[in-house]
Parts: sequence; C-alpha cells; structure tokens
Amino acid sequence: AQSVTQLDSQVPVFEEAPVELRCNYSSSVSVYLFWYVQYPNQGLQLLLKYLSGSTLVKGINGFEAEFNKSQTSFHLRKPSVHISDTAEYFCALHNDYKLSFGAGTTVTVRA
Amino acid sequence: DGGITQSPKYLFRKEGQNVTLSCEQNLNHDAMYWYRQDPGQGLRLIYYSQIVNDFQKGDIAEGYSVSREKKESFPLTVTSAQKNPTAFYLCASSTSLGGEAFFGQGTRLTVV
Repeated sequence: AQSVTQLDSQVPVFEEAPVELRCNYSSSVSVYLFWYVQYPNQGLQLLLKYLSGSTLVKGINGFEAEFNKSQTSFHLRKPSVHISDTAEYFCALHNDYKLSFGAGTTVTVRA
Repeated sequence: DGGITQSPKYLFRKEGQNVTLSCEQNLNHDAMYWYRQDPGQGLRLIYYSQIVNDFQKGDIAEGYSVSREKKESFPLTVTSAQKNPTAFYLCASSTSLGGEAFFGQGTRLTVV
C-alpha cells in the first residue's frame, strides 16, 4: 500500500517570506515523487519531480524540494514567495502506474 | 497542440441519472487516470488504466465505471449508485512509470 500525507492543510505567509510545505510518504518499493500546483477551478500543473539522483530538486517558479529517504519525506520550499504563489499545492507519489495524491496544502500569500 | 481535454466543463444532472464525462488525450500516453476532488480531501483516485482494454479500480471506485477502448479516450460514467456524485472530476495521463502526469481542466458535476 502507498500513501501520501501532507502535514499542513493551510499555510498563511507574508509576501517575500520563505515557505515550506511538508510531505511524508509511505511505500514498500521505490517511488517517484512530485509536487503539483492548482489554481482555482483549473487542473494541476507540475512544479517539480524526483525520479532518482540528486536529492535536491529544483522546479519552476523558484520552488525546490528535498527527497529524504530515511525520513520518507519530500518537503517543498521557496525562499521568497509572491502574491501569485497563492494556490493549492499537492504532493504525489507514482508507483506501479498508480498515482496517489496528498490532501493538499492551501498557501495564502498576504502583502 | 498536444494536451488532454475534458468535456463538458460544467454538467448538471438529476438525481438517479447516469452521466458520462469525456476525457481525450493526444499525447500518445499509455496511462490514464480519473480523480475526484472535494474540498479538503485532495485528489482521490477513482480508476486508472495502463493500457488499452485494461483498467484497475482506485481507492473510491464504487458507483463509477470506465472503459478504455482506444488509447486516446478514457470516459468515466457516474452511475446512480454513487451516493454523493457532486464534485470536481479531473482526468490525467502519463507516459509510463515515473512519468509526469498531465491534467485536463476538469469537469464540475452537480447533481440536483
């Protein structure tokens, strides 16, 4: 069985401040991990992915994530957020063609 | 342009009626997925398909049915057996294991 847990349901943050969104996963085999962003009433857009290799992954819009196998985590970070980063963020695990998502974290950026 | 298309964007149905949501992709992807999204619950997997004429139940398949007769198409039928069908439905496709998933714009189904 596989699962994804996003530890924060809502994260308010001020503009230009850093943000971290936490994601833990559970799987009995090797996994591929993703972070997606969703703007209101739209589909999901890929931010970044970890397949293998370097544990620090850089994505679009200044986001990065670090894969930690021992802690089964894949936390997303951005050093300085903008108003336009207000959205819902999803961590996902892809294993054996089954793509599973966490419950999502709503990020609200305030001026 | 390559992509994944869901139709319609909004759908209204009376309680007790079956309804079919369309999902078409021209990305030549093998795998396709259907998710249901409700506020605060993230994306829950309904069905997925790795190849034509084969599909597997996801975590919440009860009350839903699918078919995969063509590589490009993966329609989802919401049957009258689904207790609470009102939701936002997302379709996705990907190349293979580990491949990035591409999403459609979603269908918002309202049952009255």
